[in-house]
Amino acid sequence: GAGVSQSPSNKVTEKGKDVELRCDPISGHTALYWYRQSLGQGLEFLIYFQGNSAPDKSGLPSDRFSAERTGGSVSTLTIQRTQQEDSAVYLCASSLGLMNTEAFFGQGTRLTVV
Amino acid sequence: AQTVTQSQPEMSVQEAETVTLSCTYDTSESDYYLFWYKQPPSRQMILVIRQEAYKQQNATENRFSVNFQKAAKSFSLKISDSQLGDAAMYFCAYRFLSGNTPLVFGKGTRLSVIA
Repeated sequence: GAGVSQSPSNKVTEKGKDVELRCDPISGHTALYWYRQSLGQGLEFLIYFQGNSAPDKSGLPSDRFSAERTGGSVSTLTIQRTQQEDSAVYLCASSLGLMNTEAFFGQGTRLTVV
Repeated sequence: AQTVTQSQPEMSVQEAETVTLSCTYDTSESDYYLFWYKQPPSRQMILVIRQEAYKQQNATENRFSVNFQKAAKSFSLKISDSQLGDAAMYFCAYRFLSGNTPLVFGKGTRLSVIA
């Protein structure tokens, strides 16, 4: 696609429910990143994929968070049993791959847990 | 671990004037990239300018320029002839040179432009 696409744009969910956030990277980009942006905070790194593999999962805040990527393209970030502190904007970015400097961002998903 | 610090949560500038946003970082690496990203209300992060640490010359992109002081680990952004469209959150970010490591971001500076 022309840019990184994230869906949904906004999501309101009840505490305790599971949510899935989707990221469709730029075609041909092998690297994909997930960040979380809480109110008044910078971007907190969650996880990145090189192809379908995630070399570093240490940024995921708890075992309620998981992510997968299939076919080297679309990625899904899943939050199970959502808590109010999960409310944030979740941003996805992609880049061409190893050594590439520029990451292109999507418009994010604003998650609100009520 | 690498950290990025932006000490100015908010800044304001008069239209057509110049403003400088501060950023410091901490790293033990010698080769890395530094970036400034702009985040307007649309939430989409837009790359403003980047600097390779091995380059001594400061990067410039039209009205945007940086003052890169490697020894001091300082990377400030200067916006000249400020325009209303420059109003946004600005994030300073760092990336290690090798591999496909993620960007490390500061907490951002909210810039207001006064007409």
